[in-house]
Amino acid sequence: EPEVTQTPSHQVTQMGQEVILRCVPISNHLYFYWYRQILGQKVEFLVSFYNNEISEKSEIFDDQFSVERPDGSNFTLKIRSTKLEDSAMYFCASSEKGTGSYGYTFGSGTRLTVV
Amino acid sequence: GEDVEQSLFLSVREGDSSVINCTYTDSSSTYLYWYKQEPGAGLQLLTYIFSNMDMKQDQRLTVLLNKKDKHLSLRIADTQTGDSAIYFCAERTPSGYALNFGKGTSLLVTP
Repeated sequence: EPEVTQTPSHQVTQMGQEVILRCVPISNHLYFYWYRQILGQKVEFLVSFYNNEISEKSEIFDDQFSVERPDGSNFTLKIRSTKLEDSAMYFCASSEKGTGSYGYTFGSGTRLTVV
Repeated sequence: GEDVEQSLFLSVREGDSSVINCTYTDSSSTYLYWYKQEPGAGLQLLTYIFSNMDMKQDQRLTVLLNKKDKHLSLRIADTQTGDSAIYFCAERTPSGYALNFGKGTSLLVTP
């Protein structure tokens, strides 16, 4: 079954450093998403991306965050200057269409630890 | 935004039925989902229900939707130890792109 692949599985970074989280969505999917889950809290939407542009973003997704689809297969989330509170599990997801009946396929996540 | 509410923990014996409840926030939500998360893994879509349905059955899973009370439930029949995981309820936001998740219900199935 097709999978969404995320790398690395765990990243430790120093506060103030830039990090890039990488995702390979399912090949025929057109919509891409990032979510995060702070330990013990709910999964929160960050951003959706379609047709090479952001289609929706949450209040969490401020100027420190950016997304990019640098080639035909990768989808990245960049955090420019990490803060301690950015420590979380970051999930990438993709969907074939934006409509809800198709659901969303999530990756296994990248655990980001900011020290 | 408002919270999707779920009870945090449920423990059942193997072979019994499990019922996980959820209260969602937006009466205009068109799609509601149940996701499963096993330790160290991502979120796996279990099932979804469209808002014009009251019930959906898929093998051991039964989803009930009460739109008036904005209440969603997931029943797992003949629960197995392999069903032990965290179960997330989610609603599709009016924009159509984002999912609004609950905090998850941790299901423990004991032999």
